[in-house]
Amino acid sequence: DTGVSQNPRHKITKRGQNVTFRCDPISEHNRLYWYRQTLGQGPEFLTYFQNEAQLEKSRLLSDRFSAERPKGSFSTLEIQRTEQGDSAMYLCASSLGRTPNTGELFFGEGSRLTVL
Amino acid sequence: KNEVEQSPQNLTAQEGEFITINCSYSVGISALHWLQQHPGGGIVSLFMLSSGKKKHGRLIATINIQEKHSSLHITASHPRDSAVYICAVNLGAQKLVFGQGTRLTINP
Repeated sequence: DTGVSQNPRHKITKRGQNVTFRCDPISEHNRLYWYRQTLGQGPEFLTYFQNEAQLEKSRLLSDRFSAERPKGSFSTLEIQRTEQGDSAMYLCASSLGRTPNTGELFFGEGSRLTVL
Repeated sequence: KNEVEQSPQNLTAQEGEFITINCSYSVGISALHWLQQHPGGGIVSLFMLSSGKKKHGRLIATINIQEKHSSLHITASHPRDSAVYICAVNLGAQKLVFGQGTRLTINP
């Protein structure tokens, strides 16, 4: 399967614990995006990488959140000291973008976080 | 006011009906996406367009840049079309702003 892969698919954790999600984009894609989606809502932009450079971060990404994309391949999203409000689906998408828009996006299946 | 507004929020129709979902946005954009999301979370890109009209099978997407409006049409709808359809607009290369989605249910 050469699509976008995310893991874990589901994570249940206790408040205060740290969690890390991983996204493996389509191999030749230079752009990688993280979004968060809560129940009944559309996704919200979190952050964007062009290759290994993190070019934009939403103000939703508090200092408890950090994202990396070492070597411009896979990306990780870490949430420290989780809170119940962090419970959501975390979506990753990638694209081969050379245009002033995201390009066609390919989404992973998402990582669902439940904070107890 | 949200930057992207979709209507209706929920739509139920009978198999075979012609479906229209609307999307209006309030800012200048470089492209607009229509996405499909099935229960369980997976999102599939249906269309990306910046002008005119695109067709893929029974799906048609149109955009009117001057009126800041796009529509997604489904002809000869089928129960397997039941999903949430999301409109999203590109504000430059980085930022994608999503509508809240339209939940479509097609009854046999």
